[in-house]
Amino acid sequence: GQQLNQSPQSMFIQEGEDVSMNCTSSSIFNTWLWYKQDPGEGPVLLIALYKAGELTSNGRLTAQFGITRKDSFLNISASIPSDVGIYFCAVTGANSKLTFGKGITLSVRP
Amino acid sequence: SAVISQKPSRDICQRGTSLTIQCQVDSQVTMMFWYRQQPGQSLTLIATANQGSEATYESGFVIDKFPISRPNLTFSTLTVSNMSPEDSSIYLCSVTPTGAQETQYFGPGTRLLVL
Repeated sequence: GQQLNQSPQSMFIQEGEDVSMNCTSSSIFNTWLWYKQDPGEGPVLLIALYKAGELTSNGRLTAQFGITRKDSFLNISASIPSDVGIYFCAVTGANSKLTFGKGITLSVRP
Repeated sequence: SAVISQKPSRDICQRGTSLTIQCQVDSQVTMMFWYRQQPGQSLTLIATANQGSEATYESGFVIDKFPISRPNLTFSTLTVSNMSPEDSSIYLCSVTPTGAQETQYFGPGTRLLVL
């Protein structure tokens, strides 16, 4: 099946720092999505990307859809403690089905 | 987006029993899906809930184990049948709102522990 690669599994940063996460695939996709999941909750959609090369911001978050349509990155600027959580990338395939990456657990030290 | 609720939010069940999880959306949606998230893992699609017809299951999931209903455009149920401890997971429904482009919004999840 389709595989999305997210690494590392965990990231530890200091409050106030910027952090960048990458997501890659061996296949081309037309929609890339970034979700955040807090403990005990469902994933929340952060940013949706629909066009190759597209750069989209949502507050302190910025995500880009790679020009090859095989990758995307999410950048968080000036991190704060509530940025802690698991960040998943996902792609939309046939019949609107989502495939998720394994997720990156972000920890922010105050 | 859409407001999605799930019932129950969590449950502890005995092996061999069945649990039905409900998903309710505050507006009509085109697509509804059910996912499983095993402890410490990512999300895996179980099936697409089709309104008025049988659900479409992904490889590794079968109707006898996970029967799904979707009687209208705002409601769906997932049943986890004949449960075993391996079924302990978070079960999440998601929706694609009408007019939304290729995106899904998730409910809060149902945390299931099977003893």
